[in-house]
Amino acid sequence: NAGVTQTPKFQVLKTGQSMTLQCAQDMNHEYMSWYRQDPGMGLRLIHYSVGAGITDQGEVPNGYNVSRSTTEDFPLRLLSAAPSQTSVYFCASSLTGGYGYTFGSGTRLTVV
Amino acid sequence: AQSVTQPDIHITVSEGASLELRCNYSYGATPYLFWYVQSPGQGLQLLLKYFSGDTLVQGIKGFEAEFKRSQSSFNLRKPSVHWSDAAEYFCAVGTPNSGGGADGLTFGKGTHLIIQP
Repeated sequence: NAGVTQTPKFQVLKTGQSMTLQCAQDMNHEYMSWYRQDPGMGLRLIHYSVGAGITDQGEVPNGYNVSRSTTEDFPLRLLSAAPSQTSVYFCASSLTGGYGYTFGSGTRLTVV
Repeated sequence: AQSVTQPDIHITVSEGASLELRCNYSYGATPYLFWYVQSPGQGLQLLLKYFSGDTLVQGIKGFEAEFKRSQSSFNLRKPSVHWSDAAEYFCAVGTPNSGGGADGLTFGKGTHLIIQP
């Protein structure tokens, strides 16, 4: 049972480049979400999904795009990377959300 | 919108001493409440959760937390800390949606726990 798998673990981008952070879970969880973690800021919700085909914005959605075509996968797309998007990104999944989320190990992204 | 406050950025505790980490939330009703722990360079691990019932909840690694509705608090406690407890601790809330789930979590900024030998 792999849980929540994020790829890649590390990435360096140039300003203006686009990329997709991958997230997959094998627990048949309906709820999935993306967070970014910055020093002294805790984790902030970017986008979330409550099932395949259903997504919504969180606290800091600008510059990011998501889709949920399957229950298992919830990729996060950076449309045009900016240095302000340098952060550690975590994907999480949950059966319903009320029982807590299981987190992936994170992707450390640097935009230069 | 909901918010979470962890008043202590850093806490230093001697090994074997008791620990209490504070968490206050702002929300119009009772949210889902969680404590997570993050070791350096790692993801987050769920320590415990509260959504209804007994206001004192037990978690993993010997941790417990008490929900106090009147104070909008959910403080984390441990009677005797070990050096391996040194980590970052996050309090989080989830607001119940119409289906009884929680769409996403709102986190506090974290408390960094240092253990002195």
